[in-house]
Amino acid sequence: GDSVTQMEGPVTLSEEAFLTINCTYTATGYPSLFWYVQYPGEGLQLLLKATKADDKGSNKGFEATYRKETTSFHLEKGSVQVSDSAVYFCALSDPTDYKLSFGAGTTVTVRA
Amino acid sequence: NAGVTQTPKFQVLKTGQSMTLQCAQDMNHEYMSWYRQDPGMGLRLIHYSVGAGITDQGEVPNGYNVSRSTTEDFPLRLLSAAPSQTSVYFCASSRTVATNEKLFFGSGTQLSVL
Repeated sequence: GDSVTQMEGPVTLSEEAFLTINCTYTATGYPSLFWYVQYPGEGLQLLLKATKADDKGSNKGFEATYRKETTSFHLEKGSVQVSDSAVYFCALSDPTDYKLSFGAGTTVTVRA
Repeated sequence: NAGVTQTPKFQVLKTGQSMTLQCAQDMNHEYMSWYRQDPGMGLRLIHYSVGAGITDQGEVPNGYNVSRSTTEDFPLRLLSAAPSQTSVYFCASSRTVATNEKLFFGSGTQLSVL
């Protein structure tokens, strides 16, 4: 079945550092790919998405490119802030059913 | 708009007790779902619904029941609570069942089963 594997954390960075969180997927069809973010004590919210190969999703300075050839959707941000401290989830949606599969989540802590 | 509302926020149960986690959305969303979040395992789908009167099982449905009598409400019932059901539960909805739709999440219910 479909699955998502993302980089294990926790990740600790200093403010203004570069952030990369790796995400790879396994899917039989052509899934849509997502990054969700969970701030402390809250539910998840969509950060960005891409629906076809070579699409780039971007939001709040974060970017991820849908790479079909490497089955990857790595999340990047050039200069993180303390407010980016959160848990980040990679997810995929199979077009043949109604289910969203999530990775295990990566906890990111940004220190001032 | 309130979005997706979950109640209660916290609950402690004894083994064998039953309870219902409530979920309501006021966005007229077609699709609703329940996830559980456990450390190191991400979110796992319990049950989902693609419309009123239609429900289906997700990845980890055992020990849980759902119903969708209205578009707005999607309660999750624990039939006989077990310690393995200690988790954080999230309800989520989306406007349609299209696979590229954004999911809106509630703020979660933290459940402990003793």
